[in-house]
Amino acid sequence: QKEVEQDPGPLSVPEGAIVSLNCTYSNSAFQYFMWYRQYSRKGPELLMYTYSSGNKEDGRFTAQVDKSSKYISLFIRDSQPSDSATYLCAAGGYNKLIFGAGTRLAVHP
Amino acid sequence: AAGVIQSPRHLIKEKRETATLKCYPIPRHDTVYWYQQGPGQDPQFLISFYEKMQSDKGSIPDRFSAQQFSDYHSELNMSSLELGDSALYFCASSQSAGQRPYEQYFGPGTRLTVT
Repeated sequence: QKEVEQDPGPLSVPEGAIVSLNCTYSNSAFQYFMWYRQYSRKGPELLMYTYSSGNKEDGRFTAQVDKSSKYISLFIRDSQPSDSATYLCAAGGYNKLIFGAGTRLAVHP
Repeated sequence: AAGVIQSPRHLIKEKRETATLKCYPIPRHDTVYWYQQGPGQDPQFLISFYEKMQSDKGSIPDRFSAQQFSDYHSELNMSSLELGDSALYFCASSQSAGQRPYEQYFGPGTRLTVT
């Protein structure tokens, strides 16, 4: 079993929809939780970074961490075709990140 | 803003050859991480360096070695290349001090093809 589990999708939604992306993790030692967006053949781009349980909002994006249930979520409001990409959750400590498999998202006009 | 620089961007090598990948972190970042991403897979952590010392090691083959230099750039050396080493190799950097330590920023990657 991987330390970070993520449904690879694909997920297809209409423009304007609210998207919910989720991950679970198993290692209680993980302290940092991040969401990356990756376009094909590009490097992962950091979207959100959280350290503690709770919500963190940045524009149309909201990251949520529940350490008690080891659950990580990313919500995208008013999704746009430009949001179409693979979204990777990651969890880790001081020296490395463990990534989920990535969820491929397609937002169609 | 300056980003992580990786070179070369593309590399084609034959089996059993040697390859060297270079990474230049964001200015003032003191920690460098290397990841390997196979086709359709998530990035797998290889190794990390903090202040020129190895700080953690993941699933890095013994044929691979890496180091971080005094200017904080890092090199990943890969010997006796195998077909299965064909992948995207990402370098990421972070700044251990400051408000958001360990926030890793990724470079564009080096695509290695072994034939």
